[in-house]
Amino acid sequence: DVKVTQSSRYLVKRTGEKVFLECVQDMDHENMFWYRQDPGLGLRLIYFSYDVKMKEKGDIPEGYSVSREKKERFSLILESASTNQTSMYLCASSFRLSYNEQFFGPGTRLTVL
Amino acid sequence: QKEVEQNSGPLSVPEGAIASLNCTYSDRGSQSFFWYRQYSGKSPELIMFIYSNGDKEDGRFTAQLNKASQYVSLLIRDSQPSDSATYLCAVNRDDKIIFGKGTRLHILP
Repeated sequence: DVKVTQSSRYLVKRTGEKVFLECVQDMDHENMFWYRQDPGLGLRLIYFSYDVKMKEKGDIPEGYSVSREKKERFSLILESASTNQTSMYLCASSFRLSYNEQFFGPGTRLTVL
Repeated sequence: QKEVEQNSGPLSVPEGAIASLNCTYSDRGSQSFFWYRQYSGKSPELIMFIYSNGDKEDGRFTAQLNKASQYVSLLIRDSQPSDSATYLCAVNRDDKIIFGKGTRLHILP
């Protein structure tokens, strides 16, 4: 079974803090994704990566950055957290872009106070 | 027009009946179509994918694709209370997958 893990299930941070969300997959997938999910807005793509050290902006990259130093690990960074970044963050991975299904991690519920 | 549209629901279906979930998409170039189930507080999990026109069956689930009408549907036969969840339709756009906002399904015991 594909396993995607995320570093925290729940996280509380203060405005202005730098926040790191970690995601690890164990199936040697090429592609990894970060989404946020908010009520009424659905899943929105923040960034994705199709190879080590490669990254592409999704639909809402503002206020976020990413890092992929190893194939199995994809990190999402909030440089200076703001209250409007309070959300559920979901990491996913897939073998190939778009034609293959994405497997999701359990999610991190981030609250920024 | 939104890229992937779903009725938000809730859709209430009696236990044992057929639940029918619908999705329309705007990009005629889309070739991959997915249905995910998401329980409250959990992450989405893939239940069906379909690439070709027609029907694809897997147990109690049937996915139907009509590319001419840009329409994807999911049928759940013999609905169970455990099927109560939000169902997300997803469609590829270039090298990304675009998700609909989901339909909440409630199976009435």
